[in-house]
Amino acid sequence: GENVEQHPSTLSVQEGDSAVIKCTYSDSASNYFPWYKQELGKGPQLIIDIRSNVGEKKDQRIAVTLNKTAKHFSLHITETQPEDSAVYFCAASMTGTSYDKVIFGPGTSLSVIP
Amino acid sequence: DAGVTQSPTHLIKTRGQHVTLRCSPISGHKSVSWYQQVLGQGPQFIFQYYEKEERGRGNFPDRFSARQFPNYSSELNVNALLLGDSALYLCASSLPGTPLHGGGYTFGSGTRLTVV
Repeated sequence: GENVEQHPSTLSVQEGDSAVIKCTYSDSASNYFPWYKQELGKGPQLIIDIRSNVGEKKDQRIAVTLNKTAKHFSLHITETQPEDSAVYFCAASMTGTSYDKVIFGPGTSLSVIP
Repeated sequence: DAGVTQSPTHLIKTRGQHVTLRCSPISGHKSVSWYQQVLGQGPQFIFQYYEKEERGRGNFPDRFSARQFPNYSSELNVNALLLGDSALYLCASSLPGTPLHGGGYTFGSGTRLTVV
């Protein structure tokens, strides 16, 4: 069945350093890869996404890369700030016109130390 | 604009009881998905509804059911509650097919269900 693995499970960085979270997926039909940030007591919030026809996407301090051949994708956060501390989830889905089943990874707890 | 709203925010139930959770999607969103998030894990897909029809179902027992109303709001029902059903239940709304064009899901803050 579909599966998304995510590493590391916890990550601690100094403020200003970079953080990298890596994921792999099993379903080669997956064509959409969102990343979500979840703060305590809140639902996950979409922070960036990438589609299968794109290899890299950047939005200010956040970037995602996708290697479809290897079924790997990664999140890069540069110049980390304390407010980046949260749990980050990668996800993969095979989307259709009326059915999108998103499979989430187990999450990475990121702590940014001031 | 109001986001995805879920009610109640917290509730405590006894084993064997039944529970109904409610979700109102973002205005204009016709698709609602339900996820279960056990503490320390990623959300697990339960259902997706679009235009009042079930479009997808995850690996959950028949004790879990849902429906979508003409105004696109949705209810998740769980019968014969077990201790293992204790979790955060998340509702997400989206325009169907939106991820193909960007946008993804918008999640509510969830309902924290505790079964004792």
